[in-house]
Amino acid sequence: ETGVTQTPRHLVMGMTNKKSLKCEQHLGHNAMYWYKQSAKKPLELMFVYSLEERVENNSVPSRFSPECPNSSHLFLHLHTLQPEDSALYLCASSQDNGQGLAIQYFGAGTRLSVL
Amino acid sequence: GNSVTQMEGPVTLSEEAFLTINCTYTATGYPSLFWYVQYPGEGLQLLLKATKADDKGSNKGFEATYRKETTSFHLEKGSVQVSDSAVYFCALRDTGRRALTFGSGTRLQVQP
Repeated sequence: ETGVTQTPRHLVMGMTNKKSLKCEQHLGHNAMYWYKQSAKKPLELMFVYSLEERVENNSVPSRFSPECPNSSHLFLHLHTLQPEDSALYLCASSQDNGQGLAIQYFGAGTRLSVL
Repeated sequence: GNSVTQMEGPVTLSEEAFLTINCTYTATGYPSLFWYVQYPGEGLQLLLKATKADDKGSNKGFEATYRKETTSFHLEKGSVQVSDSAVYFCALRDTGRRALTFGSGTRLQVQP
């Protein structure tokens, strides 16, 4: 148990489907992140939430829609995805102390396949 | 912008061999540097970190020294085990930023 739980672990969806990825952290942190891990590419930051406000959005297409209803939960809503969106989606959390020293703790990820 | 460059993998070693995985970076500020490890089917786990020049991070027999003059943070271990087989990611966080910039990862395979 890493303290950051992601569900589902695996997801297969068609391009016209709508699905959501869920992340829950049990560490009392105040910041949460979505990263995308594609084959043979560095992890790419998608979104950052601090104190439930989105503070970073790295030019992610609008077919990805994040939601952070409280400091413990983070969602990524998916609709009309493309096959190139197939990847491992990782959630992370940290305690943002404003000094840039916070360690990020990662979940095990959701393996997404878009058909 | 910021970037992290790691050596291409996979790296294949025999048990008890010496390990070096190279990592160099570019950053606009004074970054903190990290090594994360990802075991099969799991998320990333922090392995070690260093927050300023000449700091040495260490954990589980792994070490890395923050070298500002060469902008490097190479990962080393004196004697690897089969259980060290995983993907290793070098990362940085620049001053004033929350998010990490990752390298592409290096897969390590240790054979008995």
